[in-house]
Amino acid sequence: KNEVEQSPQNLTAQEGEFITINCSYSVGISALHWLQQHPGGGIVSLFMLSSGKKKHGRLIATINIQEKHSSLHITASHPRDSAVYICAAPLEASNYKLTFGKGTLLTVNP
Amino acid sequence: KAGVTQTPRYLIKTRGQQVTLSCSPISGHRSVSWYQQTPGQGLQFLFEYFSETQRNKGNFPGRFSGRQFSNSRSEMNVSTLELGDSALYLCASSLGQGLDEQFFGPGTRLTVL
Repeated sequence: KNEVEQSPQNLTAQEGEFITINCSYSVGISALHWLQQHPGGGIVSLFMLSSGKKKHGRLIATINIQEKHSSLHITASHPRDSAVYICAAPLEASNYKLTFGKGTLLTVNP
Repeated sequence: KAGVTQTPRYLIKTRGQQVTLSCSPISGHRSVSWYQQTPGQGLQFLFEYFSETQRNKGNFPGRFSGRQFSNSRSEMNVSTLELGDSALYLCASSLGQGLDEQFFGPGTRLTVL
């Protein structure tokens, strides 16, 4: 079982819809990263958070450390948001090596 | 500030050869981490260097090695290449201590024939 799990694996939405991607982890962490990767592109760090909520433009990330769960929300989705979204956490159990979820492929149709 | 740069961007090698990939971190960043990304395994941690010392290592065979220089630039080397080493190799830099935000380079796409 992967220590960092994401859902859904694939997500298709219509432009303008509200998107939620979930990430859960089974071991202790003190922070979590959300990353974005466009097809054929490099990886961009969207958020790093250890508690509460962070907002950047139409992107919102939340985390509940006690419940071992984080969510990434996209409001008013746009076709340019189509990408793979990956959560990653430095796991205390593995000496803080960054462990990645499998990613969520988001496709936003116009 | 310039971002993280990686060279070369694309590389084609044959089985048994060795390869060296280079990563230049953002100026002032002292930590460099390397990752391998494949369609089957996703992103996996290779190693992390801080101030020329390997601080952490992933579960990869000894054919994978790396080093960091005094200017924080880092190289990784893969010897005796296998077909399964074909992947996108990404490096990321951060300020260093603790759980800092990481900034990723564009990656080196390695194809082993």
